[in-house]
Amino acid sequence: DVKVTQSSRYLVKRTGEKVFLECVQDMDHENMFWYRQDPGLGLRLIYFSYDVKMKEKGDIPEGYSVSREKKERFSLILESASTNQTSMYLCASSPRQGRSKETQYFGPGTRLLVL
Amino acid sequence: RKEVEQDPGPFNVPEGATVAFNCTYSNSASQSFFWYRQDCRKEPKLLMSVYSSGNEDGRFTAQLNRASQYISLLIRDSKLSDSATYLCVVNRGYKYIFGTGTRLKVLA
Repeated sequence: DVKVTQSSRYLVKRTGEKVFLECVQDMDHENMFWYRQDPGLGLRLIYFSYDVKMKEKGDIPEGYSVSREKKERFSLILESASTNQTSMYLCASSPRQGRSKETQYFGPGTRLLVL
Repeated sequence: RKEVEQDPGPFNVPEGATVAFNCTYSNSASQSFFWYRQDCRKEPKLLMSVYSSGNEDGRFTAQLNRASQYISLLIRDSKLSDSATYLCVVNRGYKYIFGTGTRLKVLA
């Protein structure tokens, strides 16, 4: 069974703090993704990674950075948290296209509140 | 205009009813198609992939019309446990584009 885990289910941070969100997958997937989900806006891609140390910007990368030092781990960093980054953050992984059915598996999400 | 469009609903239907959701996508280069289910305050989970020939999984039937760029999901004999938000997802290379979801509430 595919498992994607995220380090925290709920987080409360103050404006200006540096925030780390960790994601780990155990299926040897090449691709990993970070999304945020907000009411009425759906899931929006922040960053994704197709290999170790590789990263690509998604649709809304501003204010975020990522790190992928190991294949199974993908971290999202909020350099200086702001209130408009209050959201549900979802990590996902998928196999490389062509390897098998290209679908994404999601972690349980982290609800971040920035005060 | 959003790349993947869904009617947000909510669709309120009685138990046992048949309900259909539609989704349109704008990019003809889209390669793979999926329906995901998301329960309140939970992560999205794959419900089923959608193939050109249409496919069925128990009470769920998915259809794809590439010419019209249209995907559908049919749920027969609705159960209370089907209450959720259904997300239409389109894949193009590395990218997965999500609709904002259609909310279904099945009433006793």
